[in-house]
Amino acid sequence: NAGVTQTPKFQVLKTGQSMTLQCAQDMNHEYMSWYRQDPGMGLRLIHYSVGAGITDQGEVPNGYNVSRSTTEDFPLRLLSAAPSQTSVYFCASRRQGAGANVLTFGAGSRLTVL
Amino acid sequence: DQQVKQNSPSLSVQEGRISILNCDYTNSMFDYFLWYKKYPAEGPTFLISISSIKDKNEDGRFTVFLNKSAKHLSLHIVPSQPGDSAVYFCAASQGGSEKLVFGKGMKLTVNP
Repeated sequence: NAGVTQTPKFQVLKTGQSMTLQCAQDMNHEYMSWYRQDPGMGLRLIHYSVGAGITDQGEVPNGYNVSRSTTEDFPLRLLSAAPSQTSVYFCASRRQGAGANVLTFGAGSRLTVL
Repeated sequence: DQQVKQNSPSLSVQEGRISILNCDYTNSMFDYFLWYKKYPAEGPTFLISISSIKDKNEDGRFTVFLNKSAKHLSLHIVPSQPGDSAVYFCAASQGGSEKLVFGKGMKLTVNP
């Protein structure tokens, strides 16, 4: 059972480039989300989804797009990367109705924007 | 405006002693609280939680205490072990909300 899988683990981009961080889970969880972790800032919610076809914004959504076409996958897209998006990104999932917000996290994707 | 605060960035304790990690919150609507542990290069993992209808929840060496009037919760680890060395995040959510709000984290070091 792989849990939550994030790819790539590391990525370096130049300002203005676009890329997609991939997230897949094999636990049939309805809820998926993306967080970013910055030094001294803790984890901040970017976007989340409660099921296929449904997405919503979190605390820091600007500069990021998401879509949820399947239950398993929840990619995070950066359309025009900026240095301020240098961060570690975590994808997380849980069953709806599970112990409220007991999330299972992926191992993270470290993104550097030059 | 930070709604979940972990004001101490780090804590160092000796193996076998008690570790007490503190967390304060400002939103009185929060009704569910969680602690996550994070090792370097890994994602956070769920440790323990507490509902606002309780004031204590225990799981082995880990106990979380909730003081609603003070908007304060604490995580006690007894006895502390070197393997407990990690960053601990306090998190909170409001009933029915899909959003989990995290504190900045606290680095715990347990010395052998």
